[in-house]
Amino acid sequence: SAVISQKPSRDICQRGTSLTIQCQVDSQVTMMFWYRQQPGQSLTLIATANQGSEATYESGFVIDKFPISRPNLTFSTLTVSNMSPEDSSIYLCSVAAVTEAFFGQGTRLTVV
Amino acid sequence: LAKTTQPISMDSYEGQEVNITCSHNNIATNDYITWYQQFPSQGPRFIIQGYKTKVTNEVASLFIPADRKSSTLSLPRVSLSDTAVYYCLVGGNGAGNTPLVFGKGTRLSVIA
Repeated sequence: SAVISQKPSRDICQRGTSLTIQCQVDSQVTMMFWYRQQPGQSLTLIATANQGSEATYESGFVIDKFPISRPNLTFSTLTVSNMSPEDSSIYLCSVAAVTEAFFGQGTRLTVV
Repeated sequence: LAKTTQPISMDSYEGQEVNITCSHNNIATNDYITWYQQFPSQGPRFIIQGYKTKVTNEVASLFIPADRKSSTLSLPRVSLSDTAVYYCLVGGNGAGNTPLVFGKGTRLSVIA
């Protein structure tokens, strides 16, 4: 199993600013995944972060808006840049084990 | 990845058995079927996974017919704490290094 700690758990931010979300895993993992969950919706994959290489972004998500760092095998950050109210969502990081995925508790972001 | 279809919502009384069916007509030969549970303000949590026939664990049972084009998650004697969104996912063996792709999920409401 894997235990994932996400910080912050929630934040209220002004539009035009940026927020960096941290994800710490208690074991070394190759891939880390970042998801967005808009209010009342399902999870949407933002990007896959592989240590030592550029993150791979899904359609509709770009590096300038959601830069990701993956400095080692237990840590990753997602930055939400130049925020607008439409970025208000829950952001979750995830890692994969042999037969299941594990998720952080999520970061609830409100942009005002 | 095979597309999945499941009911948007279901209601049940406490103590009843709940069956949530998921359709996945385009499932591939090497795809597994996995169910996740998500409570409000939490990340999804693995419930059960299967390939064919029936799988049972301490939380649920998963029934998969021979053609594997559908599956049914069975929750015995639900309680109020089973109120959550349940996601059916189809893909490789476990999560591995492949990110999970979530459908819309089924919102289960358990009523006293």
